[in-house]
Amino acid sequence: DIQMTQSPSSLSASVGDRVTITCRASQTISTYLNWYQQKPGKAPKLLIFVASSLQSGVPSRFSGSGSGTDFTLTISNLQAEDVATYYCQQGYSTPLTFGGGTKVEIK
Amino acid sequence: QVQLVESGGGVVQPGRSLRLSCAASGFTFSRSAVHWVRQAPGKGLEWVGFISYDGTKEYYTDSVKGRFTISRDNSKNTLSLQMNSLKAEDTAMYFCARAHVTLVAFDLWGQGTMVTVSS
Repeated sequence: DIQMTQSPSSLSASVGDRVTITCRASQTISTYLNWYQQKPGKAPKLLIFVASSLQSGVPSRFSGSGSGTDFTLTISNLQAEDVATYYCQQGYSTPLTFGGGTKVEIK
Repeated sequence: QVQLVESGGGVVQPGRSLRLSCAASGFTFSRSAVHWVRQAPGKGLEWVGFISYDGTKEYYTDSVKGRFTISRDNSKNTLSLQMNSLKAEDTAMYFCARAHVTLVAFDLWGQGTMVTVSS
């Protein structure tokens, strides 16, 4: 199975800050990497697919990059409504696997 | 309204069975592959399994293989997850999620249904 490792596990930043979350795969996954946002008590929401494509309706302050084994999710200009846990997920092979999550809070 | 609505969760004893359902509306369900994803209380997300748009292909994570079965009825726009021989570690919120056009991302999620396996 492909292991997905996210860092940091949590972070605190101020409104307006630029936030970067990293995700590392245990083997190369090309660009088969997706990012999700999950707010407390809610279902996850797809933000980014195939590493860098923005899902329809997602604000442009969210962006993704990377290929191979190393990926990043960037939130430019952090907003209060971005408080959530963010997960990466590989789609390269089954079983599909998720990172452990990064909890983003406002300072 | 484009949505998925799960039902059927509850408290069940270890070794017993439970069947979850997922009702789709607002989109062409018969053209959409679907996944089940679960989340244990306070934990991260775990992919459970996948069924193709026509039901001819199924894939499962190893921990549920042979115990869980995904099926669908495209005439009723419904998806099911039959869970047998349930274990305490199956306790989780279960989400059905529509497959993105890439098939390996999840672009529409239900609200989830909670399954608790406990004696």
